[in-house]
Amino acid sequence: NAGVTQTPKFQVLKTGQSMTLQCAQDMNHNSMYWYRQDPGMGLRLIYYSASEGTTDKGEVPNGYNVSRLNKREFSLRLESAAPSQTSVYFCASNAGGRSNQPQHFGDGTRLSIL
Amino acid sequence: AQSVTQLGSHVSVSEGALVLLRCNYSSSVPPYLFWYVQYPNQGLQLLLKYTSAATLVKGINGFEAEFKKSETSFHLTKPSAHMSDAAEYFCAVSEANFGNEKLTFGTGTRLTIIP
Repeated sequence: NAGVTQTPKFQVLKTGQSMTLQCAQDMNHNSMYWYRQDPGMGLRLIYYSASEGTTDKGEVPNGYNVSRLNKREFSLRLESAAPSQTSVYFCASNAGGRSNQPQHFGDGTRLSIL
Repeated sequence: AQSVTQLGSHVSVSEGALVLLRCNYSSSVPPYLFWYVQYPNQGLQLLLKYTSAATLVKGINGFEAEFKKSETSFHLTKPSAHMSDAAEYFCAVSEANFGNEKLTFGTGTRLTIIP
């Protein structure tokens, strides 16, 4: 029972390098989300996708791009990594359509930018 | 616009004592409210949710929360703390609009259990 799977679990990058974080869910959910978690700031929404083929900006989208590849997969790309993007990144999904549906989270990707 | 305030970034209680974690929200429309728990190096797990049915909501692991509209609060409680409750807890709100599924999280409360 995999749920939401994120890869990689850990990554160290140099400033200016690019990288794609992968996320896949096996619950047939319509909506998917990317968050970043920083100490003392809770989780902040980067981008979300309400359905296959659509994406929208969240609270902190600058420096990121996303792709909803199909219903299962939602990737997050850092085109030119900066130290300020050092964080733990979480992907989540839910059935969507109504805002009372709880989101299911992956275990996170711990990203360090040197 | 919606927001969540969690009072107390760190809370310590003795094993067997009452756990009370505070959450106040702001929302322009009726809210849906959630409590999540995060254990070290893991993602967030749903503890419980309020979706406009009963105001007292029971969740997993003996936790419950009461929705108080007049106080715009959704505090999390557990009568008797266990060592396994040590974790970080997040309160979150989403607005009850069809198609608006975004969650806004509080900054979290780290719960420490004293043996």
